[in-house]
Amino acid sequence: EIVLTQSPTTMAASPGEKVTLNCLASSSVSYMNWYQQKSGASPKLWIYGTSNLASGVPNRFSGSGSGTSYSLTISSMEAEDVATYYCLQLSSYPLTFGSGTKLEIK
Amino acid sequence: QVTLKESGPGILQPSQTLSLTCSFSGFSLSTYGMCVGWIRQSSGKGLEWLANIWWNDDKYYNPSLKNRLTISKDTSNNQAFLKITNMDTADTATYYCARRSTEGILFDYWGQGVMVTVSS
Repeated sequence: EIVLTQSPTTMAASPGEKVTLNCLASSSVSYMNWYQQKSGASPKLWIYGTSNLASGVPNRFSGSGSGTSYSLTISSMEAEDVATYYCLQLSSYPLTFGSGTKLEIK
Repeated sequence: QVTLKESGPGILQPSQTLSLTCSFSGFSLSTYGMCVGWIRQSSGKGLEWLANIWWNDDKYYNPSLKNRLTISKDTSNNQAFLKITNMDTADTATYYCARRSTEGILFDYWGQGVMVTVSS
């Protein structure tokens, strides 16, 4: 089973600040999906295939990575970005999610 | 418009079998490349993938739940199902179904989730 470790677990960013969320895989994966989950809501697809933004996702978001290291970056933090972000590896079964990064605003 | 909606018993007792239904619209599970999966989330915790079923009836399960899971589908009625046997309090969670698009984007649409509580 591929274990995904997300860091940081929790972070707070100021409006306009650049934010980078990390996802480290225990073995190499081909690509990563990212999901945004706001409190009380279902997860939403946010980034797929490592770097493709899902429909409606603001272009201040970007995804990158390869092998065992992936990241989600927000170029300029906004209040609406407050949420928990999860990475998901699809390279091998069992599919596994990271434990999430909770992003708050200062 | 793609929609998915989960339904289940809400509450059940330890050792009972959980039966969940995912009713969906806007796509067909008989279409080549389509897939529906189940994911759960315990209160305040992260996401755990449980099982996938594909258009050709291929099935994949999370081995952490050993032989407790059974996934199935009814393509005529646009539904997918998940059964979990021998439920325990540790299985208390919100259960989601989600689909994979024919373009290969996994879990691009999710249901609203159904809360399941296991309690004696």
